[in-house]
Amino acid sequence: DVKVTQSSRYLVKRTGEKVFLECVQDMDHENMFWYRQDPGLGLRLIYFSYDVKMKEKGDIPEGYSVSREKKERFSLILESASTNQTSMYLCASTTTPGRDTGELFFGEGSRLTVL
Amino acid sequence: AQKITQTQPGMFVQEKEAVTLDCTYDTSDPSYGLFWYKQPSSGEMIFLIYQGSYDQQNATEGRYSLNFQKARKSANLVISASQLGDSAMYFCAMREVNTNAGKSTFGDGTTLTVKP
Repeated sequence: DVKVTQSSRYLVKRTGEKVFLECVQDMDHENMFWYRQDPGLGLRLIYFSYDVKMKEKGDIPEGYSVSREKKERFSLILESASTNQTSMYLCASTTTPGRDTGELFFGEGSRLTVL
Repeated sequence: AQKITQTQPGMFVQEKEAVTLDCTYDTSDPSYGLFWYKQPSSGEMIFLIYQGSYDQQNATEGRYSLNFQKARKSANLVISASQLGDSAMYFCAMREVNTNAGKSTFGDGTTLTVKP
């Protein structure tokens, strides 16, 4: 069974703390993505990666960074958490465009609360 | 830039009836993919159906069909014979196909409630 696994389902952090959200996929996908989901705003793309050590900014990268040292692992980092980063974070992966339908495979999500 | 618009924040449907969830999109790319995902209250995102921009026929997957009208830039999801388990949030998405990663843009979602 193919899988995208996010390290934590629920986290509570304090303002100013450094936060790591980890995502691992076992499908040998080239492309990995971090989205945040907020009510009424859909899913917004934070960062994505199309290869090891390659990363690109999405639509809302401010306050975030990412790391992809291995193909299967894509980490989202909040250097100094703020209350406006309280959200649901979704990791997803997929194949190279054109190889197949290219649907996203999602992790279960990480709900982060920053106090 | 790509944009997805879902104009129905919430929809209600009677069990066993059909329902259409609206989605319009905007892009200047000639090649793209259109997707619908379902998110139940448990939170996981489930892929439902895909339509390629060059596909001549509307996509179907069981009770799901995608009404693709390219000239109008619409990709509505039709769910036939609604079931209580169809109650969920539904997202329309579009994926780039001419870039390295092929990132996807999502609409704001439609919450569907199926009434018994």
